[in-house]
Amino acid sequence: QKEVEQDPGPLSVPEGAIVSLNCTYSNSAFQYFMWYRQYSRKGPELLMYTYSSGNKEDGRFTAQVDKSSKYISLFIRDSQPSDSATYLCAMSFTGNQFYFGTGTSLTVIP
Amino acid sequence: GAVVSQHPSWVICKSGTSVKIECRSLDFQATTMFWYRQFPKQSLMLMATSNEGSKATYEQGVEKDKFLINHASLTLSTLTVTSAHPEDSSFYICSARDDRVVTEAFFGQGTRLTVV
Repeated sequence: QKEVEQDPGPLSVPEGAIVSLNCTYSNSAFQYFMWYRQYSRKGPELLMYTYSSGNKEDGRFTAQVDKSSKYISLFIRDSQPSDSATYLCAMSFTGNQFYFGTGTSLTVIP
Repeated sequence: GAVVSQHPSWVICKSGTSVKIECRSLDFQATTMFWYRQFPKQSLMLMATSNEGSKATYEQGVEKDKFLINHASLTLSTLTVTSAHPEDSSFYICSARDDRVVTEAFFGQGTRLTVV
């Protein structure tokens, strides 16, 4: 069983839609949860990071962590074509090593 | 946000030659850097963790004699792919962990290596 599971998609939505991206994990010891955005042929860019459970909001992006269900989500409101990318979730115990999901490919159609 | 510069962005080399990839943290110190490999439509696979001034820690299945890592300063780590073969062709990405905020790691732009 993989440490982190993420549906690879692809996911296609119309401009303005709310996008929900999710990851599940198996190890309850994870403490840090991150979401990265990766454009084609580029390195991942950190979007959000959350410590332990709870929600975090930054502009159109909201990250949620539910440790009881071992489930994390990233919501994108008012999605834009420029949001089209691959979104990777990542988790860490102490920040020393990161475990990545496979990434979800998102396309926002104008 | 913090900037990590990875160079070169892409390289083509002949089989049997060696290629060096540099990863620099431009505006922060990074005692720890990570090297990943990414295949098309797949996630990042951690190859090794690089610590300044000490030997790198390689993940299981990664040949340390083939993928040489040197982390000689707090802002620079290098990955050398020795005696490259076509199966080494891949996207290599480094990330550097900011010593001030150890829970955040910032990625370089990646290096696309093609071995012909």
